[in-house]
Amino acid sequence: DAKTTQPNSMESNEEEPVHLPCNHSTISGTDYIHWYRQLPSQGPEYVIHGLTSNVNNRMASLAIAEDRKSSTLILHRATLRDAAVYYCILRRGGSNYKLTFGKGTLLTVNP
Amino acid sequence: DADVTQTPRNRITKTGKRIMLECSQTKGHDRMYWYRQDPGLGLRLIYYSFDVKDINKGEISDGYSVSRQAQAKFSLSLESAIPNQTALYFCATSTGGVNTEAFFGQGTRLTVV
Repeated sequence: DAKTTQPNSMESNEEEPVHLPCNHSTISGTDYIHWYRQLPSQGPEYVIHGLTSNVNNRMASLAIAEDRKSSTLILHRATLRDAAVYYCILRRGGSNYKLTFGKGTLLTVNP
Repeated sequence: DADVTQTPRNRITKTGKRIMLECSQTKGHDRMYWYRQDPGLGLRLIYYSFDVKDINKGEISDGYSVSRQAQAKFSLSLESAIPNQTALYFCATSTGGVNTEAFFGQGTRLTVV
């Protein structure tokens, strides 16, 4: 699986937008960009995924660069509950659904 | 009830003992996974199964074995536990296909003394 690079940590203030970056310069044409997050003392949970176009769901938005070598997870209004480790993961399209986790970005949300 | 249930949630065991961690799911998914997480690190894949007859090693399978007893059940065994297997273990499930997400259990905290 191709590698992703994320900042180790980021801080945000409550009710402000948060932009979490991810670099994936070796991404292949069939790699999907997935984001998961892990709240304290919990298992990871799915946030969003995309291939080429920007994606929105109830949790977040995913902005994918035109060359697909980077992406940004956008939390529109951070809440204290959004404090978590966020993982950017590349998954090769096809039947083999293996998620390979890096260290992720620890997001701290200040009240 | 949780979609993916892991038992036990916490376990302390002695070096050399055999221990089994269990995972069951009500999602109806055919694919199941076992991950290990060490402090400050991401999750590493131990084993994965695409169906009852299909078991595959992940990146860190040494010292572990698995059993897929049914579509809904996937167990991880430590044949002879050692202290560096002290970690947080997660089970996950998914369907196949390109637009899929994985669902994780709450984790089992294992301590080997």
